[in-house]
Amino acid sequence: GESVGLHLPTLSVQEGDNSIINCAYSNSASDYFIWYKQESGKGPQFIIDIRSNMDKRQGQRVTVLLNKTVKHLSLQIAATQPGDSAVYFCAESGGNEKLTFGTGTRLTIIP
Amino acid sequence: DTAVSQTPKYLVTQMGNDKSIKCEQNLGHDTMYWYKQDSKKFLKIMFSYNNKELIINETVPNRFSPKSPDKAHLNLHINSLELGDSAVYFCASSQTTGGVEAFFGQGTRLTVV
Repeated sequence: GESVGLHLPTLSVQEGDNSIINCAYSNSASDYFIWYKQESGKGPQFIIDIRSNMDKRQGQRVTVLLNKTVKHLSLQIAATQPGDSAVYFCAESGGNEKLTFGTGTRLTIIP
Repeated sequence: DTAVSQTPKYLVTQMGNDKSIKCEQNLGHDTMYWYKQDSKKFLKIMFSYNNKELIINETVPNRFSPKSPDKAHLNLHINSLELGDSAVYFCASSQTTGGVEAFFGQGTRLTVV
């Protein structure tokens, strides 16, 4: 069956350093892979997505990498700030009219 | 203006009670969703509606009944609440069904005692 999962449940990074959050997926038929950020007490918020025919996409301070060979997705956050502390979810969207979310990684930025 | 708003934010109730959570979006989106997030932060879709029509029902117990009076509203009614229903429930909307960019409400923390 389809699943989206994460390698590490928690990650602590020094402020100013770069962080990398990883995700494994099993559904090769997904059209898009997406990253969401959930701050404490709030709903998930869209960060960036990547289409399945791409291997890299950049946004503001974030880069998403897609490796279809090993079914691996990563989110790189450059020059982390305290406001980056949150739970990050990878998700996939295919032809089944829904988003399927992974289990989440808690990122903590250490001042 | 809040794009997706849901009420109440907190709900504490006893087992066996019936309760409702309301959701409204002012984004003009066609699709709305209900998600359930458990204590381990796992986020799972429950229902999706497109323009008031049910699209997805993810084998949710029939004690849960969504109602969409118009495409801007999707309410969730829960009958005979059980302890296991305790979770945070999120309403969301997207422009199209299964759209990659979904906008989430702030969540409703339901505690059944």
